[in-house]
Amino acid sequence: EAGVTQFPSHSVIEKGQTVTLRCDPISGHDNLYWYRRVMGKEIKFLLHFVKESKQDESGMPNNRFLAERTGGTYSTLKVQPAELEDSGVYFCASSPRVGFAEAFFGQGTRLTVV
Amino acid sequence: GENVEQHPSTLSVQEGDSAVIKCTYSDSASNYFPWYKQELGKGPQLIIDIRSNVGEKKDQRIAVTLNKTAKHFSLHITETQPEDSAVYFCAARPLLRSGNKLVFGAGTILRVKS
Repeated sequence: EAGVTQFPSHSVIEKGQTVTLRCDPISGHDNLYWYRRVMGKEIKFLLHFVKESKQDESGMPNNRFLAERTGGTYSTLKVQPAELEDSGVYFCASSPRVGFAEAFFGQGTRLTVV
Repeated sequence: GENVEQHPSTLSVQEGDSAVIKCTYSDSASNYFPWYKQELGKGPQLIIDIRSNVGEKKDQRIAVTLNKTAKHFSLHITETQPEDSAVYFCAARPLLRSGNKLVFGAGTILRVKS
């Protein structure tokens, strides 16, 4: 069974440009989470989908970030326009259902804004 | 909201020695405490977890202890090996609350010297 996969693994963009990150969760997992780790600090929650619905987006930093999960399968996280402080590693995680303890993480996308 | 503090930020041990990483949490409603290991170029992987109705859990060379009264939990790795070198993250979460987001500590870089 394939794990959580994220694309791209690395992205370097200039300030002001747009970047879209993609996450393919484990097949059948209703819950999809986005997290971010900035500059060696803690991994911080961004948002949570249950199927195609946003359950909790309290961690989204500002309106330059837009997450979607059309059809309840893969998800995209768009940053537009990117700023220097958006640099970091973006992780996606999935779990089968609400209340299921373990979350399975992807390998992350390292975003560098220059 | 929940806040998780993790110490130390870096830890160097000699191969064969034990390693201990400690975390404290603030929200008494948290009842699930996983530990993740992140190796270079990979995403965080669950290595052990504990729920609040248990004080200790062990899996081969890895053990986790939980003190609910003091709101702290620790990861213990015995007989460390070079392949234990990685970044370790603790996390906390209230299992039954909607959202189920994890709140992470800042991570500990563990180096096992051979």
